[in-house]
Amino acid sequence: EAGVTQSPTHLIKTRGQQATLRCSPISGHTSVYWYQQALGLGLQFLLWYDEGEERNRGNFPPRFSGRQFPNYSSELNVNALELEDSALYLCASSARVGRNQPQHFGDGTRLSIL
Amino acid sequence: GIQVEQSPPDLILQEGANSTLRCNFSDSVNNLQWFHQNPWGQLINLFYIPSGTKQNGRLSATTVATERYSLLYISSSQTTDSGVYFCAVFSSNTGKLIFGQGTTLQVKP
Repeated sequence: EAGVTQSPTHLIKTRGQQATLRCSPISGHTSVYWYQQALGLGLQFLLWYDEGEERNRGNFPPRFSGRQFPNYSSELNVNALELEDSALYLCASSARVGRNQPQHFGDGTRLSIL
Repeated sequence: GIQVEQSPPDLILQEGANSTLRCNFSDSVNNLQWFHQNPWGQLINLFYIPSGTKQNGRLSATTVATERYSLLYISSSQTTDSGVYFCAVFSSNTGKLIFGQGTTLQVKP
């Protein structure tokens, strides 16, 4: 069974640009979650998508956005990039959230802002 | 919101030693997971353990939900066990995992 896949592995951008990160969940999983791991700040919840809808978002500005497609894959978009957006972005997926299923993580996208 | 505290923050072991990592949480939770983050940043599921005890090889975990803590045991540690161990609790209302700050483990040969 394929795990959660994320692309690209690494992404280098400059300030003010826009970045798009992609995530494919485990087959059969309908919920997708995005987390940011910035240096010294731990793992912070960004967004939760389930059945194509945004269900919850963390304490991040609106320039962090995303969407979930009909095949349950997801994109995270970050506009007007700032230096502090440099971080490891991790995507996770789980089966229907009402059953309190564990979250399984991809290998992440390392975003560097120059 | 729910607070998750892990201890100790750092741990250095000699290969072959045993260790216990602790995770305290401030409120009732639906789910608790333990992860190992390796030096390449990969976050690997160790246990999904809302309550009770589970074992997987040299690792085992116990969660006492009524007392709001979980323990991760590592026996006969190996250098490949090095990395950061995270405890995370899940709230079905918000859909998010709330992570502790992690325990950084270094196992020396």
